[in-house]
This record gives sequence, C-alpha cells and structure tokens, in this order.
Amino acid sequence: KQEVTQIPAALSVPEGENLVLNCSFTDSAIYNLQWFRQDPGKGLTSLLLIQSSQREQTSGRLNASLDKSSGRSTLYIAASQPGDSATYLCAPGAGNYGQNFVFGPGTRLSVLP
Amino acid sequence: NAGVMQNPRHLVRRRGQEARLRCSPMKGHSHVYWYRQLPEEGLKFMVYLQKENIIDESGMPKERFSAEFPKEGPSILRIQQVVRGDSAAYFCASSRGQIATNEKLFFGSGTQLSVL
Repeated sequence: KQEVTQIPAALSVPEGENLVLNCSFTDSAIYNLQWFRQDPGKGLTSLLLIQSSQREQTSGRLNASLDKSSGRSTLYIAASQPGDSATYLCAPGAGNYGQNFVFGPGTRLSVLP
Repeated sequence: NAGVMQNPRHLVRRRGQEARLRCSPMKGHSHVYWYRQLPEEGLKFMVYLQKENIIDESGMPKERFSAEFPKEGPSILRIQQVVRGDSAAYFCASSRGQIATNEKLFFGSGTQLSVL
C-alpha cells in the first residue's frame, strides 16, 4: 500500500526565513499530489496540486516540486510569516492500491515573530 | 458558493449508541471522501463515494461502519454500536471529479465524535 512520510516532523523558525518541507511516498503510480495546511481544530485547506506530468507548481510564496519517479515532493515557503504557522500535509493521489488520497503525518511549523 | 458542510460539529454518544455524521459537498461536486483523524495521528482514509456508488472502501472497518451518498441529500457516515475507540475527528472532503481529472480536494470542518 502507499506509505507517505514527511520530514521534519516539526520545525520552528524565526520570521522571514525560507524553508523546505519534504514528502516521500512509496508508490509512484500517482495521478497528482496535493499539499494542504491544517490549523488546530480545523479542516484542511488545499494549497497546491501538482499533476504527475508537472515538475512544479507555484502560488504566491509557495512553490511545490514533484519528482514522481523517485517518490518525492518538496514544499518551499519563502519569507515565512507567523500566519504560516500550521501543520502541512502532503497527499499523493491514487496509485496502484486504491482510488484515494493517502496523507502523510504532517510537518508542524511554527514561525516566531 | 458554500464550502463543504459537515454536521453536527460535535457529537457525543454513549457506548452502544449509533452515530450519524452528515456531509454536504460543495455545489457541483459529486465525489466525496471520508477520513478519520485520531488525536496526535494523521488522517486515515475510510471511504470514497460517487453519487449512489461506493468506489473505494478499503479503509473502512469491516463491522459497524457504513457510508452512503444518495442521489438526493448529503453523504452519511454511520457508526453502529459505538465504542470509545471510535472517538475521533471525522472529516469529509469533496471534489468535482475523480482523482485522474486533477481536481482539488476541499475539506469540511469535521465532526468531533466523543464516545462516553
């Protein structure tokens, strides 16, 4: 079955830093991959979706890359702000083992003012 | 355009009772996913439905749990004879098309189930 890991599990940085969150998955037969953020006690918000044929996707200060063959994706956050504090989750879409999104455990980010 | 609506927001049940969780997808969305999140754990897939059909239920426990998405009305996740281990946040998500169409997934705010 699809296994998803995220590194680091937690990250604390001062405001203004650029940072990289990593996601690895075992089944590379995916259609796409989404990055989400989750604020405490709330649902998830989709940040970016990268199709399997794409290498990267950008939205504002966020840039996500996808290396499907090696089972890796990274989320790059430029000039971090306290409002970016949240848990970030990656979710590869489908694969050989089912028609669903499998979520990683997340990276808990704290951006200190 | 209202987002994905889940109700109730909080649900308290005693052991042995039934829990019914409702999810109304975004307008124009016919694909619904249910996930469960235990405290300090990640989101675990339960079931994926398209109108009137279950597409993938590989994450659904074999007993006591069922889901439906009728032609009219919300999707329902039903848990019979709840036990304390069912206490969790249950999230519903919807999309316009299946995964292969590269549509984004939109989540509701979740239902927090507490079993006493």
